[in-house]
Amino acid sequence: DAGITQSPRHKVTETGTPVTLRCHQTENHRYMYWYRQDPGHGLRLIHYSYGVKDTDKGEVSDGYSVSRSKTEDFLLTLESATSSQTSVYFCAISESQLPETQYFGPGTRLLVL
Amino acid sequence: EDKVVQSPLSLVVHEGDTVTLNCSYEVTNFRSLLWYKQEKKAPTFLFMLTSSGIEKKSGRLSSILDKKELFSILNITATQTGDSAVYLCAVRWNAGGTSYGKLTFGQGTILTVHP
Repeated sequence: DAGITQSPRHKVTETGTPVTLRCHQTENHRYMYWYRQDPGHGLRLIHYSYGVKDTDKGEVSDGYSVSRSKTEDFLLTLESATSSQTSVYFCAISESQLPETQYFGPGTRLLVL
Repeated sequence: EDKVVQSPLSLVVHEGDTVTLNCSYEVTNFRSLLWYKQEKKAPTFLFMLTSSGIEKKSGRLSSILDKKELFSILNITATQTGDSAVYLCAVRWNAGGTSYGKLTFGQGTILTVHP
């Protein structure tokens, strides 16, 4: 976990407010990912990045946007949070596209009331 | 719709028992199947399987893939309380026209090992 941190680790917010989660890495890895984890669904990919300013959508991208202005930071923004976005959010990083090289951050618990 | 299904969803055993966790999948352009262990925090990688019939082993954990029947099993022998965790299966597959291999996760199996 030392090479990847997420902030905040816990957040409670209200419906309709904007929320930004930050993923920070010190490994200089090219690829970064945002997943959400919900009971009964495992992990689902929201967005990923394959380089600075290069991002693409995952399977559950609606309601989320991302930005990557430098290698070490990947931001996930909920423009107007909804209760359905209550979840645990994991960031992951990898040197290559090979999924076995991905390793995950500690997670952020988000509660939208 | 591509999917990955794990069974059972939860399992309670006693130390020393052997458990078998199942993962079946239905995806196009299968590339590999991965197993992770998650202990109240981030998932950690256990195994990657790409070929049928070749067992991957690490200590008391082993896994095998059957690409004909589209499933994998994860075996844990002589279970210990430290094996209590959520075990996730994920399948990597290629969507047409993209070089990025998508990863689809199963729901996970919650394993509880009692002393």
